[in-house]
Amino acid sequence: AQRVTQPEKLLSVFKGAPVELKCNYSYSGSPELFWYVQYSRQRLQLLLRHISRESIKGFTADLNKGETSFHLKKPFAQEEDSAMYYCALTARQLTFGSGTQLTVLP
Amino acid sequence: DADVTQTPRNRITKTGKRIMLECSQTKGHDRMYWYRQDPGLGLRLIYYSFDVKDINKGEISDGYSVSRQAQAKFSLSLESAIPNQTALYFCATRAGGPLYEQYFGPGTRLTVT
Repeated sequence: AQRVTQPEKLLSVFKGAPVELKCNYSYSGSPELFWYVQYSRQRLQLLLRHISRESIKGFTADLNKGETSFHLKKPFAQEEDSAMYYCALTARQLTFGSGTQLTVLP
Repeated sequence: DADVTQTPRNRITKTGKRIMLECSQTKGHDRMYWYRQDPGLGLRLIYYSFDVKDINKGEISDGYSVSRQAQAKFSLSLESAIPNQTALYFCATRAGGPLYEQYFGPGTRLTVT
């Protein structure tokens, strides 16, 4: 069975500080991992996917198969980054973690 | 993204009532999904469909049913609504393959009193 764990329900950081949102997964195969974001009053949208090894809005995420983690990082948080973030793993269907509400304080 | 639409956007209903939530998409995707979102629980998959003749149960299908009327339409029904089905419901679509992005609708806020 596939499972995604986001241990932090809430995370607050000050503007300009680094931020890391944790994600751990369990999956017997080779995982495909994503981060989705939901800004206030907006629908969920894809932030980034591990296979693209891209940086979106300053966020990056590295897949660590040894630690089965896919943590999302940004070196300097901005107030507009405040949102709900979901880590997700896909095989036949997408499985989401429980989400982390990030608040960036001024 | 108006490519995935949901109706109604908000609904209040009473326990025991039948209710249908509808989802339409213009992205031409074969795969469609229904999720519910609850605080602290994230998104949980209710049902998914890979084409008109393919319907699959998700993690929490009990108390729900679906209908895939056409490639572009996927409806979720609560045959007899109960208060713990109060949640935010999302429809999503995806092109084939696990690497593709899922596109979400705006959500339907359902309250069962």
